[in-house]
Amino acid sequence: KQEVTQIPAALSVPEGENLVLNCSFTDSAIYNLQWFRQDPGKGLTSLLLIQSSQREQTSGRLNASLDKSSGRSTLYIAASQPGDSATYLCAVRNQAGTALIFGKGTTLSVSS
Amino acid sequence: DTGVSQDPRHKITKRGQNVTFRCDPISEHNRLYWYRQTLGQGPEFLTYFQNEAQLEKSRLLSDRFSAERPKGSFSTLEIQRTEQGDSAMYLCASSPDRGLYLETQYFGPGTRLLVL
Repeated sequence: KQEVTQIPAALSVPEGENLVLNCSFTDSAIYNLQWFRQDPGKGLTSLLLIQSSQREQTSGRLNASLDKSSGRSTLYIAASQPGDSATYLCAVRNQAGTALIFGKGTTLSVSS
Repeated sequence: DTGVSQDPRHKITKRGQNVTFRCDPISEHNRLYWYRQTLGQGPEFLTYFQNEAQLEKSRLLSDRFSAERPKGSFSTLEIQRTEQGDSAMYLCASSPDRGLYLETQYFGPGTRLLVL
């Protein structure tokens, strides 16, 4: 059974810092991995999708990497801003089944 | 695209009552998913539709839960005889058919259910 773990559970940083969020998964038989952002009480916004054959994807200040063989992904946020404060969720799309399997998320707080 | 919409956004009900939620996916998205999210947890899969066919159901979807997508467009999720443990955010997502490797699910704002 696929399990997704995110470390740390919470992170507080001052504005301007670069930071890394970690995601690990137990079954490497995946089609892709997605990073989402969730603001309090709201739905999810897709940030980046990495196909299983890819190593990384970039969008603006965000860079996500994928090492499928070791079951790890990282989300790098450059020059953090208070507006980046949210919960970041990692999810994998298994080759078995149709659902996304989510981690519990990392709650990020960026102070000005 | 106007995005995935869900109605209502909030629902408070008493234990034992039935509730129904609606999801309108992005137009022409043939895949539709329902997830449930409790506080401090990631979303958990409930069920999946390909057009009007319900192709997969999670073990979380007890017999009190039923979902439909009658014309392959909007979907409804009904919970009968609600229990306090049903209190959660119910999220709907849709995706176009672009192949499994490229599938991106687009989520709605969710319906927050509180069962008293």
